[in-house]
Amino acid sequence: GEDVEQSLFLSVREGDSSVINCTYTDSSSTYLYWYKQEPGAGLQLLTYIFSNMDMKQDQRLTVLLNKKDKHLSLRIADTQTGDSAIYFCAESIRRGYSTLTFGKGTMLLVSP
Amino acid sequence: NAGVTQTPKFQVLKTGQSMTLQCAQDMNHNSMYWYRQDPGMGLRLIYYSASEGTTDKGEVPNGYNVSRLNKREFSLRLESAAPSQTSVYFCASRDPSGGIPNYGYTFGSGTRLTVV
Repeated sequence: GEDVEQSLFLSVREGDSSVINCTYTDSSSTYLYWYKQEPGAGLQLLTYIFSNMDMKQDQRLTVLLNKKDKHLSLRIADTQTGDSAIYFCAESIRRGYSTLTFGKGTMLLVSP
Repeated sequence: NAGVTQTPKFQVLKTGQSMTLQCAQDMNHNSMYWYRQDPGMGLRLIYYSASEGTTDKGEVPNGYNVSRLNKREFSLRLESAAPSQTSVYFCASRDPSGGIPNYGYTFGSGTRLTVV
């Protein structure tokens, strides 16, 4: 089956690192994504990782993938108040058609 | 600006009324999707259209119909609105034949629908 699980809430102080975790169940996932949703807005693609990679770094963002444990994490270095948002983990599964399965989202609150 | 445009942004309906949510994309994407977002539920797929001329049910299609009018436009219709359809509706598009980043979706800004 397919299910993507995330913790619902994370609170950090400005300047700290944030780590948002995600687990997925479908080992056939080809790509895994992180989306960001700011209040009142749609989802914006933040970063992605191909399933044969262990790590991807993009400026303040680091994505780690443990395929054996089906665990994905997003680390945000030097977290800013503008990073406050809901972060969604998603997996891309090809099963006759390609679609994305989303987790329920982690709300990140960054306090000054 | 290139992207996905949804109209209206806000709507209040009475139970039993009908309405159509509009979505248009100008990126020449083949696939289009309708999701609903509810608190604590994440995003759930209602319908999708893999290409012009085709539509298929997603996870929660009951109470909805869709039309892929052309490559640009994909509309979602509520024939008889119910309070359980109070939600935020997102349209998205993607081009699976494109480069790796296009495996992700481009989302519209959403339609906030309340059914009373």
